[in-house]
Amino acid sequence: GDSVTQTEGQVALSEEDFLTIHCNYSASGYPALFWYVQYPGEGPQFLFRASRDKEKGSSRGFEATYNKEATSFHLQKASVQESDSAVYYCALSDGSWQLIFGSGTQLTVMP
Amino acid sequence: DTTVKQNPRYKLARVGKPVNLICSQTMNHDTMYWYQKKPNQAPKLLLFYYDKILNREADTFEKFQSSRPNNSFCSLYIGSAGLEYSAMYLCASSSPGGAREQYFGPGTRLTVL
Repeated sequence: GDSVTQTEGQVALSEEDFLTIHCNYSASGYPALFWYVQYPGEGPQFLFRASRDKEKGSSRGFEATYNKEATSFHLQKASVQESDSAVYYCALSDGSWQLIFGSGTQLTVMP
Repeated sequence: DTTVKQNPRYKLARVGKPVNLICSQTMNHDTMYWYQKKPNQAPKLLLFYYDKILNREADTFEKFQSSRPNNSFCSLYIGSAGLEYSAMYLCASSSPGGAREQYFGPGTRLTVL
């Protein structure tokens, strides 16, 4: 079945560092790809999505580009802040109602 | 208003006892979902309602039940809780159609002793 892999379980950075969280997917079709962010005590929040090859999704300074050839959708941000500390989930949808999530990446940003 | 609420936020249950979790949303979304989230694992879809039609995942079919008395509310029911049910339960809703973004509630942390 379809799956999403996030290789980093935890990422620790200092403020103003560059962030990359890797996301790779496996799907039989042409899925839509998503990033969600979860802050402590809250549920996951939709960050952005991309539906086509080479499409860039972005929000709040975060961005990711759909790469069909590499089956990737890596999350990046040029300069992280302490307030960005959260768990980040990559997810895919094959067009059905189901969202398939990765296991999440805990980002900790130190001041 | 993109609000999904869940009650209670924390639930302690005894093995073998029933558990009922409640979710509500104010966005008039047709579709509501329940996920189970355990530490260091991805959220796992348990079931979802599209309008009044309940869809349950094959491997959770007999373990979880749900009801949706109206468009705004949805419950998750465990008839006999086991230790393996200890987890965070997340409710979400979305507008109809595939590949839509889902809006999540804060979750209910269930601990079974």
